[in-house]
Amino acid sequence: GAVVSQHPSWVICKSGTSVKIECRSLDFQATTMFWYRQFPKQSLMLMATSNEGSKATYEQGVEKDKFLINHASLTLSTLTVTSAHPEDSSFYICSANQGSNSPLHFGNGTRLTVT
Amino acid sequence: AQKITQTQPGMFVQEKEAVTLDCTYDTSDPSYGLFWYKQPSSGEMIFLIYQGSYDQQNATEGRYSLNFQKARKSANLVISASQLGDSAMYFCAMREGHSDTPLVFGKGTRLSVIA
Repeated sequence: GAVVSQHPSWVICKSGTSVKIECRSLDFQATTMFWYRQFPKQSLMLMATSNEGSKATYEQGVEKDKFLINHASLTLSTLTVTSAHPEDSSFYICSANQGSNSPLHFGNGTRLTVT
Repeated sequence: AQKITQTQPGMFVQEKEAVTLDCTYDTSDPSYGLFWYKQPSSGEMIFLIYQGSYDQQNATEGRYSLNFQKARKSANLVISASQLGDSAMYFCAMREGHSDTPLVFGKGTRLSVIA
């Protein structure tokens, strides 16, 4: 069954507002979670690595002040898209690692549309 | 440089036939893992198969097998007895080093199964 829960599955917001996306590991603890973004007909691109109890590590070109990541517990990481603009419209998907040699478990993704 | 290369943007296969999806990778790390994921139109990432760099035998999972050629740095996915439900995007991915590193994805191959 699903071991990573992501919420909401879709959201529509107005330009300038902020949106929070939650990613929970349901039956295991995850010290590290990953946030990816996927534009239509493209691959998954890593945005940032979320580390429990410390600052996230952002990939080059990803604005840390725009995409706020909080990993306050071993089972929850949140991504907040601040002051969203239409170009932020995308599919955001989180993942968590259950252990060595295990596949990354992915949430079902969040489809964000900014109008 | 691309770490994961999938050269087939799209593939067609007749139902009940086998199909091979190509993947080559680039790494200097002796320890790495190779993964294949299926992404249907709904967006979720479904783990299919895993191959570790030190694994001696090719991985198999039901109708999925991974043709691992280490010297050529290729990790092709073979789907046997294709079904209509296999139509989806397929992504090859690699994780280098320890388990807390993220997956890097290829651009994907869209597989269409024809009745």
